[in-house]
Amino acid sequence: DTEVTQTPKHLVMGMTNKKSLKCEQHMGHRAMYWYKQKAKKPPELMFVYSYEKLSINESVPSRFSPECPNSSLLNLHLHALQPEDSALYLCASSGAGGDGYGYTFGSGTRLTVV
Amino acid sequence: GNSVTQMEGPVTLSEEAFLTINCTYTATGYPSLFWYVQYPGEGLQLLLKATKADDKGSNKGFEATYRKETTSFHLEKGSVQVSDSAVYFCALSDRRGTGGFKTIFGAGTRLFVKA
Repeated sequence: DTEVTQTPKHLVMGMTNKKSLKCEQHMGHRAMYWYKQKAKKPPELMFVYSYEKLSINESVPSRFSPECPNSSLLNLHLHALQPEDSALYLCASSGAGGDGYGYTFGSGTRLTVV
Repeated sequence: GNSVTQMEGPVTLSEEAFLTINCTYTATGYPSLFWYVQYPGEGLQLLLKATKADDKGSNKGFEATYRKETTSFHLEKGSVQVSDSAVYFCALSDRRGTGGFKTIFGAGTRLFVKA
């Protein structure tokens, strides 16, 4: 299995809702990432997990809360989002042992906040 | 800090034309360099990579050479197809801490290939 699976593919939520994005990989990768991508822009790093521990938080607002329950799963919990948070949210994974292997990305969750 | 600069698009070519997308970088140390491709409505896919100076990455007819002297990693393909229409991102790795690493992406170059 060489894929990163993200669910749901599309999500519409109100500003008072609580929702979660899910990401799963079975490649044995020990680093997992959340990126945010606005239209016609490059991905922007949000969080990095290494060996199930949060290693990088790029000063993301607390309305985004990541969680890594085990080495295969990564969640992003969403609460009280703003319309400007509408974007494509991408999950990625990589081997944590070296930076020369690149990322494997999921197809993303397209989030719309209304 | 580390950064990546790539040529602005969109780039429009006819099928079978030669493609070059320029990419230059600024980095301390010796980063790994990557090209990712994003097709409409999808996530990014790793296209090719190079981990040290003078390495050539190649995949699906695309090539790029890690040039430390010019801090460049230009993407080339000898004959593009309509199916190559996508957004191409140049990127470098920025190792931080003891686990996981940050990838810095260029702005992206949109390629349109006409039949």
